[in-house]
Amino acid sequence: DGGITQSPKYLFRKEGQNVTLSCEQNLNHDAMYWYRQDPGQGLRLIYYSQIVNDFQKGDIAEGYSVSREKKESFPLTVTSAQKNPTAFYLCASSSSTGFKTKPQHFGDGTRLSIL
Amino acid sequence: GENVEQHPSTLSVQEGDSAVIKCTYSDSASNYFPWYKQELGKRPQLIIDIRSNVGEKKDQRIAVTLNKTAKHFSLHITETQPEDSAVYFCAARIYNFNKFYFGSGTKLNVKP
Repeated sequence: DGGITQSPKYLFRKEGQNVTLSCEQNLNHDAMYWYRQDPGQGLRLIYYSQIVNDFQKGDIAEGYSVSREKKESFPLTVTSAQKNPTAFYLCASSSSTGFKTKPQHFGDGTRLSIL
Repeated sequence: GENVEQHPSTLSVQEGDSAVIKCTYSDSASNYFPWYKQELGKRPQLIIDIRSNVGEKKDQRIAVTLNKTAKHFSLHITETQPEDSAVYFCAARIYNFNKFYFGSGTKLNVKP
């Protein structure tokens, strides 16, 4: 889906360093999400935001932080408190309220590794 | 919250055979069920979805069925081809919440 752009595609983190993953969408979607995917595993929700200036923790929020200052942007910071950050990170967005649900659209992902 | 379970975790079929992947959910308030296909190293892509007011939906070789009473839904792929080989995820969304719950994935291998 060309409407969601994640950058960078590959990222390396040094021990003790914070790194920020970018996610931008031009789909005019209200909701945005961050998922972590480990090799051979499913999608685990880190954080999600239903509206600007509001976000909620997902199932594995510890060691991560987010902000939602603009509708188009939902950056994810992987802090030094996240001791095992090596994974594939996927950003998604959706426009869905009430009964008429629309599916999530995903970005191409960022692969984060420890140096 | 919702709990989505997906089976089997791996599925191997011969080209031309059918493949069926099953998911169950726990919250009766879930009203939307998408299926995603993810090829190695790529983004999940929506292949079909179904809403709770419909029992079945078909798109060429792919179909999804929903049994609200039993709280389960299934993906059916007929006449499988090697390019169908990928990981498939089911998901459920609770009515009026913008949060999706994913199954653990099924790795489908279609042997030529």
